Amino acid sequence: DSGVTQTPKHLITATGQRVTLRCSPRSGDLSVYWYQQSLDQGLQFLIQYYNGEERAKGNILERFSAQQFPDLHSELNLSSLELGDSALYFCASSVTQRVEEQFFGPGTRLTVL
Amino acid sequence: DQQVKQNSPSLSVQEGRISILNCDYTNSMFDYFLWYKKYPAEGPTFLISISSIKDKNEDGRFTVFLNKSAKHLSLHIVPSQPGDSAVYFCAASGVTSGTYKYIFGTGTRLKVLA
Repeated sequence: DSGVTQTPKHLITATGQRVTLRCSPRSGDLSVYWYQQSLDQGLQFLIQYYNGEERAKGNILERFSAQQFPDLHSELNLSSLELGDSALYFCASSVTQRVEEQFFGPGTRLTVL
Repeated sequence: DQQVKQNSPSLSVQEGRISILNCDYTNSMFDYFLWYKKYPAEGPTFLISISSIKDKNEDGRFTVFLNKSAKHLSLHIVPSQPGDSAVYFCAASGVTSGTYKYIFGTGTRLKVLA
């Protein structure tokens, strides 16, 4: 158990819908990262927040947005969902902004039908 | 445009022997490289990293080698153990054209046979 929690564990929804994935970092961790793992594209870094502010952006689509709240939990919002958005979404956290110090959560499996 | 490539989707190795996982990258602006291990139904776990100013980094049974001229890195596991069976991802990070990039390969599934 990494100490990073993600909810929900599984999510099934339809195309065109909007969903919110939630991540609670380990106690004391200020950085939160979001990743997408799909079958055909492997693991992709989406976005990073540090103490409430966006710090780095990867291949995050415009239909996706994220934020980190004052209590340091983070949410990833996915809208106008397409079949290709079906993937495992991981959240990770770290005390600093160093990626090698991050701990990953178990992931949320999103299925878009 | 696959900037980080792991060309071997899978690898089988006998227990006790050396496992060598390879990774190639195309962008010379990457200056930090990482390896992660992932078991089924779990998130990835950081394994080892290397800065572009080094050509080797060792941590116990794990050694990462970086060949900047060939834009190639490899992870050596010696000796391999059945518990090493997992998917291994390499990742590269750096700032290119003023933008931070952090890109993963597609992974190599390692199977260590007892």
